[in-house]
Amino acid sequence: AQTVTQSQPEMSVQEAETVTLSCTYDTSESDYYLFWYKQPPSRQMILVIRQEAYKQQNATENRFSVNFQKAAKSFSLKISDSQLGDAAMYFCASSSGGTSYGKLTFGQGTILTVHP
Amino acid sequence: DTAVSQTPKYLVTQMGNDKSIKCEQNLGHDTMYWYKQDSKKFLKIMFSYNNKELIINETVPNRFSPKSPDKAHLNLHINSLELGDSAVYFCASSQTLLGTQYFGPGTRLLVL
Repeated sequence: AQTVTQSQPEMSVQEAETVTLSCTYDTSESDYYLFWYKQPPSRQMILVIRQEAYKQQNATENRFSVNFQKAAKSFSLKISDSQLGDAAMYFCASSSGGTSYGKLTFGQGTILTVHP
Repeated sequence: DTAVSQTPKYLVTQMGNDKSIKCEQNLGHDTMYWYKQDSKKFLKIMFSYNNKELIINETVPNRFSPKSPDKAHLNLHINSLELGDSAVYFCASSQTLLGTQYFGPGTRLLVL
């Protein structure tokens, strides 16, 4: 079974500053994937970034990067140069094969507020 | 150009009614999913189909029945709606079982 935990219900950041959202996970699978999804008020689920567990290099997508610590089972998201449009709920999620058949297991979400 | 679409976007209905939500993807993906997001925003898998075959049925009441007429469509039918069914239902699809999942816009269901 997989579990994903986001311990920060809410975070805030000033525009142009950097913020880090935390996520820890647990899985018994050796082959798994980690994701960050963003859900703005429009409620659309938008993929932010994906990390394959077998890759040591941290994934990056423009202003978004992750700090993947496999031994610690930690997967944090760093948003640099925060913009007003980054305000949303952010979900950390994991998926794996085996009996999970690729289903996404989500954390509780972190609401990010961006102050102008 | 919409990759994963759902209809309707909003659904308001009375307890005891039967309703369906439709999902279509034009990405050519093999796998489709239904997720439920409750009032606390928690997202949980309900069903998954791979090549029209049901592969995940995550302890969902029998009142919920998915149907996949072809790989591009996965519909969700709900019988005898209850107040607790009020939620946002998301359809998603991925190329393979472990592929990145792309979500539809969600259907907000309100049962009165």
